[in-house]
Amino acid sequence: GAVVSQHPSWVICKSGTSVKIECRSLDFQATTMFWYRQFPKQSLMLMATSNEGSKATYEQGVEKDKFLINHASLTLSTLTVTSAHPEDSSFYICSARGVGVTRATNTEAFFGQGTRLTVV
Amino acid sequence: GENVEQHPSTLSVQEGDSAVIKCTYSDSASNYFPWYKQELGKRPQLIIDIRSNVGEKKDQRIAVTLNKTAKHFSLHITETQPEDSAVYFCAASPGSFGNEKLTFGTGTRLTIIP
Repeated sequence: GAVVSQHPSWVICKSGTSVKIECRSLDFQATTMFWYRQFPKQSLMLMATSNEGSKATYEQGVEKDKFLINHASLTLSTLTVTSAHPEDSSFYICSARGVGVTRATNTEAFFGQGTRLTVV
Repeated sequence: GENVEQHPSTLSVQEGDSAVIKCTYSDSASNYFPWYKQELGKRPQLIIDIRSNVGEKKDQRIAVTLNKTAKHFSLHITETQPEDSAVYFCAASPGSFGNEKLTFGTGTRLTIIP
């Protein structure tokens, strides 16, 4: 099956600093990457959608200048949380769809392991 | 935009019994409906999906039914086992081109009682 590798799995940072989260598709081309945020015991809330080589499309209420998304290649997308504050503490998870190895990578969304961000 | 509602939010089932989770969606353009299982602190894993040209799909103990007219779809787990305990999310997406976003339901915490 298709594998999405997300790093780091957890990070603690000081308020005001920036944190970069990486998602890599290991055996397929991730033409589309979705970034989600999940609060404890809640659903996955889509933050933005990015297509390789294009600017990300942000969901309503998500600050694009605070959550910088880069999808410069078919195997790598990054989310940078800039000037992080305690309220940004959450579980961030990426999901990729694309073309390549398996039967239905063009519709099935494969998730990364997630990154637990704690801002102190 | 799409809105997906999921019920119940929590469900406890005796081991060996069946569990049913229901979802409704609002956008008639949605035609792809996956179900994900998420264990605590882990990534969601696709367990079954269905497209709008199919009314039912089964994979061993798991089945999904879809009623496009009523805009609802359901997950059925039979002969439940303790390892089925997890949070289950339904989702809906328009199109099959790969770049359409998934809208997730609010999740169901399923507990299997030994």
